[in-house]
Parts: sequence; C-alpha cells; structure tokens
Amino acid sequence: GAVVSQHPSRVICKSGTSVKIECRSLDFQATTMFWYRQFPKQSLMLMATSNEGSKATYEQGVEKDKFLINHASLTLSTLTVTSAHPEDSSFYICSASPEAGDYGYTFGSGTRLTVV
Amino acid sequence: GESVGLHLPTLSVQEGDNSIINCAYSNSASDYFIWYKQESGKGPQFIIDIRSNMDKRQGQRVTVLLNKTVKHLSLQIAATQPGDSAVYFCAETLFSGGYNKLIFGAGTRLAVHP
Repeated sequence: GAVVSQHPSRVICKSGTSVKIECRSLDFQATTMFWYRQFPKQSLMLMATSNEGSKATYEQGVEKDKFLINHASLTLSTLTVTSAHPEDSSFYICSASPEAGDYGYTFGSGTRLTVV
Repeated sequence: GESVGLHLPTLSVQEGDNSIINCAYSNSASDYFIWYKQESGKGPQFIIDIRSNMDKRQGQRVTVLLNKTVKHLSLQIAATQPGDSAVYFCAETLFSGGYNKLIFGAGTRLAVHP
C-alpha cells in the first residue's frame, strides 16, 4: 500500500530559529500534498495544499510567509516553520495523494515540534 | 457513558461491548467520507470509507452509517477491544481550489476498559 514518510518525528528548536519538516511518498508519486497542524486534544486543521510545480494554497488564517511549503518533486514536500515561536509548538502531519481529484489520502506519522 | 472533556468528548466502553461513535459533518455537497483512528503521537490511520451514494458500509468489525438528510455519520465497532482505544475522527471531502481537501471533524476519544 501507499506509504508516506515524515521526518523528523520530533524536533526541539529555540525561539526565532527555523525548522524544516519533510514529507515523502515512498512508493507512489504524490501530485498533491496537504499539511495539517494539530494542537493537543484537538482535531487536525488543514494548513495548506500544495501541487507539484505550483505554489501552495493556504487556508484562511495561515501565514504563508511563516509556513513555507515547497513541493520540490512528485515524492517530496517540505514545510518550513520560519522564526518559530512557542505558540508554533504543535503536531504537524502531512498527507499525500496521487492525483488532485483522487480520494486516496495517505498520512505521515507526524512531527512533534517544540519551540523553547 | 459519554462525557465532554476539555476539547475531545470521550466514550467509555467495556471490553467486548459494541461502540458507536457519532459525527456531524458540515458540507452538504461532500460526496466521500472517511473514518480515521489516531493513536497518541501518531498520524491518522484509515479505518473505513463511504461514498454519498451509499448509506451503509461494513468492514471487519466496523460499520459506517451515513445519513445525508441530517448530515450525520456514525462508526460502529463490534466487540470492542483494548487495542481500539484511540481518538476517532470522521473526515469529509471538500472540493475547493481545484483539490479534494479532507476536512476533519472534532474527534471522539474511545476508552476501552477491561
């Protein structure tokens, strides 16, 4: 079956620094990737959608300059949290889909970001 | 019984009983729905899905029911086991900006007691 790998699984960074999270589709080409954020005891909130070769589309209230998304290839998307602050501490999860209109969503294992 | 916690409602059941987790969705145009299981510190795991042209679908020990009239989805787990303890989310698709986005519901924590 489709496998999505997310790295790192945990990261601790100092306030003001930037952190990059990688999302890779291991056995399929992911035309579309989605990034979610999940705070403790809450649901997953969609942050942005990216399509290989085009700019990401951000959901309302998500700062595109703070959360940089690069869909570098059909198997890799990265999320960079720039100038991280403690309020950015959260669980970040990516999802990949083979086609833009496909319903096949496969999730990564998530990245726990702690900003100190 | 069912109780409302700080953010996630919790359903407590005895091992071996059947569990029913409910979900209300918001988009009447949604045509595909998925139930996910999420264990602590992990990503969501696919359980079962259903398209809007169906009202019931069964899997292994799980059944999903869809009531489009009231925009309600339920997940039934038969003979609940301790390993079923997790947070369960329903998700609906929303076609927006050229993509089928997956939007998650609030979630329910299932606690299975021996």
